Amino acid sequence: DAMVIQNPRYQVTQFGKPVTLSCSQTLNHNVMYWYQQKSSQAPKLLFHYYDKDFNNEADTPDNFQSRRPNTSFCFLDIRSPGLGDAAMYLCATSRTPGLPETQYFGPGTRLLVL
Amino acid sequence: DQQVKQNSPSLSVQEGRISILNCDYTNSMFDYFLWYKKYPAEGPTFLISISSIKDKNEDGRFTVFLNKSAKHLSLHIVPSQPGDSAVYFCAARPRRGNTDKLIFGTGTRLQVFP
Repeated sequence: DAMVIQNPRYQVTQFGKPVTLSCSQTLNHNVMYWYQQKSSQAPKLLFHYYDKDFNNEADTPDNFQSRRPNTSFCFLDIRSPGLGDAAMYLCATSRTPGLPETQYFGPGTRLLVL
Repeated sequence: DQQVKQNSPSLSVQEGRISILNCDYTNSMFDYFLWYKKYPAEGPTFLISISSIKDKNEDGRFTVFLNKSAKHLSLHIVPSQPGDSAVYFCAARPRRGNTDKLIFGTGTRLQVFP
């Protein structure tokens, strides 16, 4: 089945140690998104790619970076994780920007910072 | 500032009865509203949406109502089934051209018991 895959499902890192989360998709969608969801809070968009065009949200900390080497893969890099970055990170894709109902989500990666 | 609010963190309904999940918003510039459903260990999946030019959209057992004057929308599930037990997220899209941004509420956990 075509899908959005996130690896790993659980990631433990140390305070200040860079960490990378990965997302891949077999849907061949143009747009890929990264959301952060902290406990009991709403998912919050960090940034998205429309093909190779990167779009950062104004309030996304500089500590968060992203790479999209090809259509299928997108990475979230946290350069120096703090305790406040512990959260669920959700990757999503959509075929065309402007059609919100077509966002498909992966299962998420839960990040723990020690 | 939470622009999309789901004030009930949980709801418990008996099987066969109606489930009503509520969502309030503060931004009159939203042009599209969506409901997502999330099971444990899975990503959110799209359930139903409504454009701001409509006041009702129905899909099988699911109906979404939009009251623009009250800045309120609700999701009705009739009849409720145990498989509907999940977390339901309300989301809204700001009217801003071909934007991909969705603003989510904090979710309501629905439990349908036999």
